[in-house]
Amino acid sequence: DVKVTQSSRYLVKRTGEKVFLECVQDMDHENMFWYRQDPGLGLRLIYFSYDVKMKEKGDIPEGYSVSREKKERFSLILESASTNQTSMYLCASRNQGFQPQHFGDGTRLSIL
Amino acid sequence: DAKTTQPTSMDCAEGRAANLPCNHSTISGNEYVYWYRQIHSQGPQYIIHGLKNNETNEMASLIITEDRKSSTLILPHATLRDTAVYYCIVRVGNQGGKLIFGQGTELSVKP
Repeated sequence: DVKVTQSSRYLVKRTGEKVFLECVQDMDHENMFWYRQDPGLGLRLIYFSYDVKMKEKGDIPEGYSVSREKKERFSLILESASTNQTSMYLCASRNQGFQPQHFGDGTRLSIL
Repeated sequence: DAKTTQPTSMDCAEGRAANLPCNHSTISGNEYVYWYRQIHSQGPQYIIHGLKNNETNEMASLIITEDRKSSTLILPHATLRDTAVYYCIVRVGNQGGKLIFGQGTELSVKP
């Protein structure tokens, strides 16, 4: 079975802090994704990566950056956390072509 | 991008089959249909996907109409643990391949 592991289930940070969310997958997938999920807005894509050191902006990249130094790990960085970044963050990975995305359990991040 | 339409909510008796419909009338020829579900406070769980043939796996069956404008996810013997929001998604055909989650169907399995 595919395993996508997010480093924290719950995280509380303060406004202005730099926040790192980590995601690791164990299936050698080329593609990795970061989404956020908010009530009434569904899942929105922040960034994705189709190879090591490659990244593409999604629909809402402002205030975020990403890092993919190794194939199995994709990190989301909140450069200076703000309260409107309080959300559920979901990482996903998939192989090439039309293979399905597999999601982690999510990180519920609160910015105070 | 093909959009999907699903009922907002459905009920199903435990042990009975749950049939969840989805309309995707603007689907294009090379787009797949994916089904996911999300139990409260967890990440979405992949269930099944298909292009035009019916598909079955250990979790569910997927029936796609011949014109591909609609599909049905079937959970053959629903249990209480199948209570979740079910999403029908058509894959956006670009390199990134992001998934667009709609509002989904909230399935309640009742004893």
